[in-house]
Amino acid sequence: DAGITQSPRHKVTETGTPVTLRCHQTENHRYMYWYRQDPGHGLRLIHYSYGVKDTDKGEVSDGYSVSRSKTEDFLLTLESATSSQTSVYFCAISDGQGDGYTFGSGTRLTVV
Amino acid sequence: QKEVEQDPGPLSVPEGAIVSLNCTYSNSAFQYFMWYRQYSRKGPELLMYTYSSGNKEDGRFTAQVDKSSKYISLFIRDSQPSDSATYLCAMSFQSGGSYIPTFGRGTSLIVHP
Repeated sequence: DAGITQSPRHKVTETGTPVTLRCHQTENHRYMYWYRQDPGHGLRLIHYSYGVKDTDKGEVSDGYSVSRSKTEDFLLTLESATSSQTSVYFCAISDGQGDGYTFGSGTRLTVV
Repeated sequence: QKEVEQDPGPLSVPEGAIVSLNCTYSNSAFQYFMWYRQYSRKGPELLMYTYSSGNKEDGRFTAQVDKSSKYISLFIRDSQPSDSATYLCAMSFQSGGSYIPTFGRGTSLIVHP
């Protein structure tokens, strides 16, 4: 997807291990978001950022932390992964105008 | 009750049919209304957005917003097999200087030849 990349694309990890997912943008957008997508639940907001070092919680933030030290990078960390965090994680960016968000290609995370 | 309700389907139609996809919502503060298309194992991509009420047309796609009924629709004319995907509605309002979108669960559309 133009201007936004997520890494890794796939990851399998063991229960209890820390995991960090990365979102990188080249659009210089102020807002960045982390979502998880699960069958039956759709897209649910985990955390979002409205500037460097400015973040806030979303609907399903328990067990997750985020950091944004540069405009272009937004990191999502699972401090101690659990099987319930097996999901597809999407990063999104916006310029804050409310008229649309650009999504990355997603990270498929499996916690075994 | 979720803020945004969307029937998950699947909705199966023959090629060439007119497709109607719908969402209802409960929060009257929503200002921007969006439709995303998501192919299997891909990220959602923005199809259309509408600010406040009214219609918007883009090629074979028409988005409608009825704020009085808290109901939005996406119509696809002359549907094609390549339109087979999950369609997600989303809506947002300004809160604390930012717009945080709320998504429906998505409707799976299958267009068969």
